[in-house]
Amino acid sequence: GNSVTQMEGPVTLSEEAFLTINCTYTATGYPSLFWYVQYPGEGLQLLLKATKADDKGSNKGFEATYRKETTSFHLEKGSVQVSDSAVYFCALSDRVSSFGNEKLTFGTGTRLTIIP
Amino acid sequence: DGGITQSPKYLFRKEGQNVTLSCEQNLNHDAMYWYRQDPGQGLRLIYYSQIVNDFQKGDIAEGYSVSREKKESFPLTVTSAQKNPTAFYLCASSHPGTPNTGELFFGEGSRLTVL
Repeated sequence: GNSVTQMEGPVTLSEEAFLTINCTYTATGYPSLFWYVQYPGEGLQLLLKATKADDKGSNKGFEATYRKETTSFHLEKGSVQVSDSAVYFCALSDRVSSFGNEKLTFGTGTRLTIIP
Repeated sequence: DGGITQSPKYLFRKEGQNVTLSCEQNLNHDAMYWYRQDPGQGLRLIYYSQIVNDFQKGDIAEGYSVSREKKESFPLTVTSAQKNPTAFYLCASSHPGTPNTGELFFGEGSRLTVL
């Protein structure tokens, strides 16, 4: 079956440091890939996505490139801020049916803390 | 504002009791989902529903039940048969649009603690 593996946390960085959170996946077919973010006390929200190989998703200064050859979708940001402190989840989609609704498989999450 | 409302936010239960978590959405989404979040295990799918009066088991459905009588509502019952119910429960919804859009909209979660 499908699975997502992401680097274990917690990750602690100083403000303005470079961030990489690794994510690799196992899937049949050609899944879409996603990063979701969970801020303290909240539910998850979509951060970025890529639907086919070599696509780059980007949002709020974060980027991730869909690498089919390495089955990876690593999250990067050039200069992190204290407000980026959150838990980050990598996920892939598995089409449920012709209804078009998605069933996502999530990684275990990586807790990121940015210190001033 | 449109969104997903989960209640209660915190719930305590004695062993052997059933408890129902509420999830309501006003986004007009067809599909709704229940996930369980445990430390170090990420999110695991309990049940999902693609349309009213239809629902499917996810990866960890044992000890849970759901209903989908209205498009807006997808309550989850944690029964006494669930051996380890203490967890954070997240409800989500999505709307079929462009294939593989993959965007789920999440509520703020309900934290259940069994005493």
